[in-house]
Amino acid sequence: EIVLTQSPATLSLSPGAGATLSCRASQSVGSHLAWYQQKPGQAPRLLIYDASNRATGIPARFSGSGSGTEFILTISSLEPGDFAVYYCQQRSTWPLTFGGGTKVEIK
Amino acid sequence: EVQLVESGGGLAQPGGSLRLSCAGSGFTFSSHNLNWVRQAPGKGLEWVSHISGSGAVIYNADSVKGRFTISRDNAKNSLYLQMNSLRDDDTAIYYCARERRFTGGYYGMDVWGQGTTVTVSS
Repeated sequence: EIVLTQSPATLSLSPGAGATLSCRASQSVGSHLAWYQQKPGQAPRLLIYDASNRATGIPARFSGSGSGTEFILTISSLEPGDFAVYYCQQRSTWPLTFGGGTKVEIK
Repeated sequence: EVQLVESGGGLAQPGGSLRLSCAGSGFTFSSHNLNWVRQAPGKGLEWVSHISGSGAVIYNADSVKGRFTISRDNAKNSLYLQMNSLRDDDTAIYYCARERRFTGGYYGMDVWGQGTTVTVSS
C-alpha cells in the first residue's frame, strides 16, 4: 500500500498570504495524484488531478506540482473560503490511498 | 444538474448489516467508475471500494474485504454498498464519488454525494 504523508498537519496563515502544502508518497505514483479541499460539514471537492491540472471551475490561485514521490499544492493568495482541510490522493496503485490532510486555518 | 445522493445510513449493532444506496442523475451513469469513501468522526478520508462503469472490475480496501460488497445497477442509475459484519470502527460518513477519466488516463473524483452517516454501536 502506498502511504501518502502530508505536511504540515496544520498551517496557520492570514488571508492574502500564500500557502504551500506538501504530500510525499512512500513510492512513486508518477503523476497520478489528486488534491481535494474539504470544508466543515461538506463533501470533498476535487481541485487538482494529474498532479498539476486544475479541475473545472477551480481558480488559478490553486496550483499543483511534482511527480514521483514529492508533490506540492500552492495557494497563491488565501481567500476566506480557502480555509479548509486539503487531502492528496493517489490513483497509481490499488488500494487507493489518501493523505492524512493539512488543515489551513486563519491565523 | 450532475449529482449523487446517498441513502441508507443509520444505526446498526456490531455484527449487523446495512445497505447503502447512491442515486446518480444528470450524467451517463454507466460511463463512470464509482467509489465509496468514508470519513470517521474527526478523521481523514478513507477509500473503501471501487467499481468500474460496467461493474466488471471491483477493488476493496483490506479493512472491508469479505464484509462489504459494492455493486451497481446501471438501469436504475444506482450504486450500492452491502455492509455485513459491521464493527465499531465502521462508524463514519460514507460518500459515493464519481470518477472522471481525464486526458492521459488520469483520474479524479469529481462529483461527490453529500454523504450518509453510519453508526455502529450496541
